[in-house]
Amino acid sequence: ETGVTQTPRHLVMGMTNKKSLKCEQHLGHNAMYWYKQSAKKPLELMFVYNFKEQTENNSVPSRFSPECPNSSHLFLHLHTLQPEDSALYLCASSRGGRDNINEKLFFGSGTQLSVL
Amino acid sequence: AQKITQTQPGMFVQEKEAVTLDCTYDTSDPSYGLFWYKQPSSGEMIFLIYQGSYDQQNATEGRYSLNFQKARKSANLVISASQLGDSAMYFCAMRDLQTGANNLFFGTGTRLTVIP
Repeated sequence: ETGVTQTPRHLVMGMTNKKSLKCEQHLGHNAMYWYKQSAKKPLELMFVYNFKEQTENNSVPSRFSPECPNSSHLFLHLHTLQPEDSALYLCASSRGGRDNINEKLFFGSGTQLSVL
Repeated sequence: AQKITQTQPGMFVQEKEAVTLDCTYDTSDPSYGLFWYKQPSSGEMIFLIYQGSYDQQNATEGRYSLNFQKARKSANLVISASQLGDSAMYFCAMRDLQTGANNLFFGTGTRLTVIP
Protein backbone atom coordinates (compact mmCIF):
# COMPACT_ATOMS: atom_id res chain seq x y z
CA GLU A 1 0.00 0.00 0.00
CA THR A 2 1.37 3.37 -1.02
CA GLY A 3 1.85 6.05 1.64
CA VAL A 4 0.43 8.66 -0.74
CA THR A 5 -3.13 8.17 -1.98
CA GLN A 6 -4.71 10.09 -4.82
CA THR A 7 -8.35 10.18 -5.84
CA PRO A 8 -9.88 9.85 -8.30
CA ARG A 9 -7.59 7.67 -10.45
CA HIS A 10 -9.31 8.84 -13.63
CA LEU A 11 -11.32 11.96 -14.35
CA VAL A 12 -13.05 13.14 -17.49
CA MET A 13 -14.41 16.66 -17.45
CA GLY A 14 -15.79 19.27 -19.79
CA MET A 15 -14.22 22.67 -20.10
CA THR A 16 -16.97 24.31 -18.07
CA ASN A 17 -16.90 21.83 -15.17
CA LYS A 18 -15.44 22.32 -11.72
CA LYS A 19 -13.74 19.37 -10.10
CA SER A 20 -11.16 18.68 -7.40
CA LEU A 21 -8.27 16.25 -7.11
CA LYS A 22 -7.46 14.93 -3.67
CA CYS A 23 -4.19 13.73 -2.19
CA GLU A 24 -3.58 12.26 1.24
CA GLN A 25 -0.28 11.15 2.74
CA HIS A 26 0.15 8.81 5.71
CA LEU A 27 3.91 9.25 6.12
CA GLY A 28 4.03 12.06 8.65
CA HIS A 29 5.59 14.40 6.09
CA ASN A 30 5.41 18.17 6.13
CA ALA A 31 5.81 19.02 2.45
CA MET A 32 3.40 18.21 -0.35
CA TYR A 33 3.66 18.77 -4.09
CA TRP A 34 1.60 18.78 -7.26
CA TYR A 35 3.31 17.76 -10.50
CA LYS A 36 1.91 17.64 -14.02
CA GLN A 37 3.08 14.86 -16.35
CA SER A 38 2.33 15.32 -20.05
CA ALA A 39 3.37 12.89 -22.76
CA LYS A 40 7.02 13.21 -23.81
CA LYS A 41 7.69 16.15 -21.48
CA PRO A 42 9.53 16.25 -18.17
CA LEU A 43 7.45 16.34 -15.03
CA GLU A 44 6.50 19.93 -14.30
CA LEU A 45 6.37 21.14 -10.74
CA MET A 46 3.15 23.09 -10.15
CA PHE A 47 2.87 23.83 -6.45
CA VAL A 48 4.72 23.11 -3.22
CA TYR A 49 3.45 23.39 0.32
CA ASN A 50 5.95 23.28 3.16
CA PHE A 51 4.41 23.10 6.64
CA LYS A 52 1.07 24.15 5.08
CA GLU A 53 2.59 27.28 3.54
CA GLN A 54 2.73 27.58 -0.23
CA THR A 55 6.39 28.00 -1.15
CA GLU A 56 6.29 27.41 -4.90
CA ASN A 57 3.87 28.40 -7.62
CA ASN A 58 5.49 27.69 -10.94
CA SER A 59 3.56 30.19 -13.07
CA VAL A 60 0.54 27.93 -13.05
CA PRO A 61 -2.65 29.36 -14.64
CA SER A 62 -5.29 30.46 -12.17
CA ARG A 63 -7.70 27.79 -13.42
CA PHE A 64 -5.66 25.50 -11.14
CA SER A 65 -6.13 26.35 -7.48
CA PRO A 66 -4.34 24.39 -4.74
CA GLU A 67 -5.46 23.99 -1.16
CA CYS A 68 -3.54 22.49 1.75
CA PRO A 69 -5.72 22.42 4.88
CA ASN A 70 -3.16 20.41 6.87
CA SER A 71 0.12 18.59 6.35
CA SER A 72 -1.62 15.36 5.38
CA HIS A 73 -4.04 16.62 2.74
CA LEU A 74 -3.63 18.46 -0.52
CA PHE A 75 -6.26 19.40 -3.07
CA LEU A 76 -6.13 20.73 -6.60
CA HIS A 77 -9.29 22.57 -7.59
CA LEU A 78 -9.95 22.71 -11.31
CA HIS A 79 -12.24 25.04 -13.22
CA THR A 80 -12.68 26.05 -16.87
CA LEU A 81 -9.83 23.83 -17.98
CA GLN A 82 -8.54 23.55 -21.53
CA PRO A 83 -7.96 20.36 -23.55
CA GLU A 84 -4.18 20.92 -23.26
CA ASP A 85 -4.54 20.49 -19.50
CA SER A 86 -5.17 16.78 -20.08
CA ALA A 87 -2.34 14.97 -18.31
CA LEU A 88 -1.39 12.78 -15.38
CA TYR A 89 -1.39 14.83 -12.18
CA LEU A 90 0.93 13.44 -9.55
CA CYS A 91 0.96 14.29 -5.88
CA ALA A 92 4.07 13.78 -3.77
CA SER A 93 5.19 14.33 -0.21
CA SER A 94 8.52 14.66 1.58
CA ARG A 95 9.88 15.39 5.07
CA GLY A 96 9.88 19.13 4.46
CA GLY A 97 12.06 21.90 5.80
CA ARG A 98 14.77 23.89 4.08
CA ASP A 99 17.78 23.07 1.95
CA ASN A 100 17.48 19.33 2.16
CA ILE A 101 19.37 18.27 -0.93
CA ASN A 102 18.91 14.56 -0.29
CA GLU A 103 15.22 14.71 0.47
CA LYS A 104 13.38 12.16 -1.60
CA LEU A 105 9.81 12.48 -2.74
CA PHE A 106 7.17 9.84 -2.29
CA PHE A 107 4.55 9.85 -5.05
CA GLY A 108 0.98 8.75 -5.42
CA SER A 109 -0.29 6.87 -8.47
CA GLY A 110 -1.70 10.01 -10.02
CA THR A 111 -4.98 11.16 -11.47
CA GLN A 112 -5.30 10.76 -15.24
CA LEU A 113 -7.25 13.82 -16.32
CA SER A 114 -8.97 14.19 -19.68
CA VAL A 115 -10.51 17.53 -20.60
CA LEU A 116 -13.04 17.37 -23.43
CA ALA B 1 17.73 25.54 -20.04
CA GLN B 2 17.16 21.84 -19.51
CA LYS B 3 18.76 20.68 -16.29
CA ILE B 4 18.40 16.95 -16.85
CA THR B 5 18.91 15.18 -20.17
CA GLN B 6 17.99 11.60 -20.90
CA THR B 7 18.90 10.84 -24.50
CA GLN B 8 17.44 7.33 -24.73
CA PRO B 9 13.68 7.40 -25.29
CA GLY B 10 13.58 3.60 -25.27
CA MET B 11 15.88 0.73 -24.35
CA PHE B 12 15.60 -3.04 -24.65
CA VAL B 13 17.44 -5.59 -22.53
CA GLN B 14 17.40 -9.35 -22.36
CA GLU B 15 16.22 -10.83 -19.10
CA LYS B 16 19.11 -11.46 -16.66
CA GLU B 17 21.40 -9.06 -18.53
CA ALA B 18 22.60 -5.67 -17.25
CA VAL B 19 21.50 -2.37 -18.76
CA THR B 20 22.70 1.23 -18.41
CA LEU B 21 20.32 4.16 -18.63
CA ASP B 22 21.99 7.49 -19.37
CA CYS B 23 21.52 10.77 -17.58
CA THR B 24 23.43 14.03 -17.83
CA TYR B 25 22.73 17.11 -15.77
CA ASP B 26 23.52 20.78 -15.73
CA THR B 27 24.18 22.86 -12.65
CA SER B 28 26.77 25.34 -11.44
CA ASP B 29 25.89 24.69 -7.83
CA PRO B 30 28.56 22.58 -6.06
CA SER B 31 25.91 21.06 -3.82
CA TYR B 32 23.24 18.97 -5.50
CA GLY B 33 21.51 15.63 -5.33
CA LEU B 34 20.69 13.17 -8.08
CA PHE B 35 17.78 10.74 -7.98
CA TRP B 36 16.43 7.92 -10.11
CA TYR B 37 12.75 7.00 -10.12
CA LYS B 38 10.87 4.13 -11.75
CA GLN B 39 7.35 4.58 -13.08
CA PRO B 40 5.50 1.35 -13.94
CA SER B 41 2.27 1.42 -15.91
CA SER B 42 0.34 1.94 -12.65
CA GLY B 43 1.60 5.54 -12.67
CA GLU B 44 3.27 5.74 -9.27
CA MET B 45 6.83 7.10 -9.24
CA ILE B 46 9.02 4.80 -7.14
CA PHE B 47 12.30 6.06 -5.69
CA LEU B 48 15.26 3.84 -6.61
CA ILE B 49 18.55 5.44 -5.71
CA TYR B 50 20.20 8.70 -4.61
CA GLN B 51 23.66 10.21 -5.17
CA GLY B 52 24.91 13.37 -3.48
CA SER B 53 27.43 15.60 -5.21
CA TYR B 54 29.89 15.21 -2.34
CA ASP B 55 29.53 11.46 -1.99
CA GLN B 56 32.87 9.77 -2.55
CA GLN B 57 31.46 6.43 -3.56
CA ASN B 58 28.96 5.53 -6.25
CA ALA B 59 25.57 4.74 -4.76
CA THR B 60 24.25 1.18 -4.82
CA GLU B 61 20.87 -0.24 -3.83
CA GLY B 62 20.46 -3.94 -4.48
CA ARG B 63 20.47 -4.47 -8.26
CA TYR B 64 20.66 -0.72 -8.89
CA SER B 65 23.90 1.20 -9.00
CA LEU B 66 24.73 4.69 -10.09
CA ASN B 67 27.73 5.39 -12.30
CA PHE B 68 28.49 8.92 -11.12
CA GLN B 69 31.04 10.82 -13.20
CA LYS B 70 31.14 14.30 -11.73
CA ALA B 71 33.50 15.87 -14.25
CA ARG B 72 31.28 14.72 -17.10
CA LYS B 73 28.13 15.63 -15.17
CA SER B 74 26.64 12.23 -15.76
CA ALA B 75 24.74 9.94 -13.43
CA ASN B 76 23.91 6.77 -15.30
CA LEU B 77 21.73 4.10 -13.73
CA VAL B 78 22.92 0.51 -14.03
CA ILE B 79 20.41 -2.28 -13.50
CA SER B 80 21.99 -5.68 -13.12
CA ALA B 81 20.31 -9.06 -13.71
CA SER B 82 17.24 -7.50 -15.36
CA GLN B 83 13.86 -8.94 -14.51
CA LEU B 84 10.56 -8.73 -16.40
CA GLY B 85 9.21 -6.52 -13.64
CA ASP B 86 11.87 -3.93 -14.45
CA SER B 87 9.95 -2.95 -17.60
CA ALA B 88 8.87 0.64 -16.88
CA MET B 89 9.72 4.29 -17.44
CA TYR B 90 12.84 5.48 -15.64
CA PHE B 91 13.38 9.11 -14.71
CA CYS B 92 16.53 10.88 -13.63
CA ALA B 93 16.05 13.92 -11.41
CA MET B 94 18.17 16.55 -9.70
CA ARG B 95 17.82 19.01 -6.89
CA ASP B 96 20.20 21.88 -6.23
CA LEU B 97 20.10 24.80 -3.82
CA GLN B 98 20.50 27.38 -6.57
CA THR B 99 16.98 26.94 -7.90
CA GLY B 100 15.39 26.14 -4.57
CA ALA B 101 15.69 22.92 -2.64
CA ASN B 102 11.97 22.31 -3.03
CA ASN B 103 12.22 21.82 -6.77
CA LEU B 104 13.16 18.43 -8.15
CA PHE B 105 13.93 18.68 -11.90
CA PHE B 106 13.10 15.61 -13.95
CA GLY B 107 14.29 14.39 -17.35
CA THR B 108 11.97 13.13 -20.08
CA GLY B 109 12.54 9.53 -19.10
CA THR B 110 13.64 6.27 -20.73
CA ARG B 111 11.23 3.44 -21.40
CA LEU B 112 12.92 0.14 -20.55
CA THR B 113 11.56 -3.11 -21.95
CA VAL B 114 12.90 -6.39 -20.62
CA ILE B 115 12.67 -9.21 -23.16
CA PRO B 116 12.13 -12.76 -21.89
